[in-house]
Amino acid sequence: DAGVIQSPRHEVTEMGQEVTLRCKPISGHNSLFWYRQTMMRGLELLIYFNNNVPIDDSGMPEDRFSAKMPNASFSTLKIQPSEPRDSAVYFCASSFIRRQISGNTIYFGEGSWLTVV
Amino acid sequence: KNEVEQSPQNLTAQEGEFITINCSYSVGISALHWLQQHPGGGIVSLFMLSSGKKKHGRLIATINIQEKHSSLHITASHPRDSAVYICAGTQGGSEKLVFGKGTKLTVNP
Repeated sequence: DAGVIQSPRHEVTEMGQEVTLRCKPISGHNSLFWYRQTMMRGLELLIYFNNNVPIDDSGMPEDRFSAKMPNASFSTLKIQPSEPRDSAVYFCASSFIRRQISGNTIYFGEGSWLTVV
Repeated sequence: KNEVEQSPQNLTAQEGEFITINCSYSVGISALHWLQQHPGGGIVSLFMLSSGKKKHGRLIATINIQEKHSSLHITASHPRDSAVYICAGTQGGSEKLVFGKGTKLTVNP
């Protein structure tokens, strides 16, 4: 299996521009997570989907952030307009969630390194 | 208030030493994950455990549910073990992960 695939790996953009990050989860997984990592705040959950449906988006910072999962094999995280404080590493992760089991192994992508100047 | 606390924040060891990283968590955490992140790299899940002990190669993870404490041990440490190790808890009733701040491990040859 190729693992969780994210693109782009690196992006530098100007403030005010739209940024779209993409993720392909592991085939067969039913849950997808978007995380953000910064030096100041560490890793934070932004949103997660189960069976393509957003379950918890309480971590999405503000209306400038949106995420979609149109099908089981693709998700996007969009920032519009971008700001310098959005500079971070954005990780996508996927897992096969079995409700009767507490905790499930989660697989992370390599991350998208975003710099907004 | 973070629900997952890790210690130490930084750890330097000599090659071959036995290493322990600790993690304490609060009520409501139903499972513990240990993650590894190399500099500039992605995040790899090492262990997920809700009870007992797991071993993979030179890595051992234990959890004490009563004390709400988990440890990650590395035996015969090697410079390639140098990385940030992150403890994360699954909040019961959801699949949200709550992360510790990480332990930066440096193993010198």
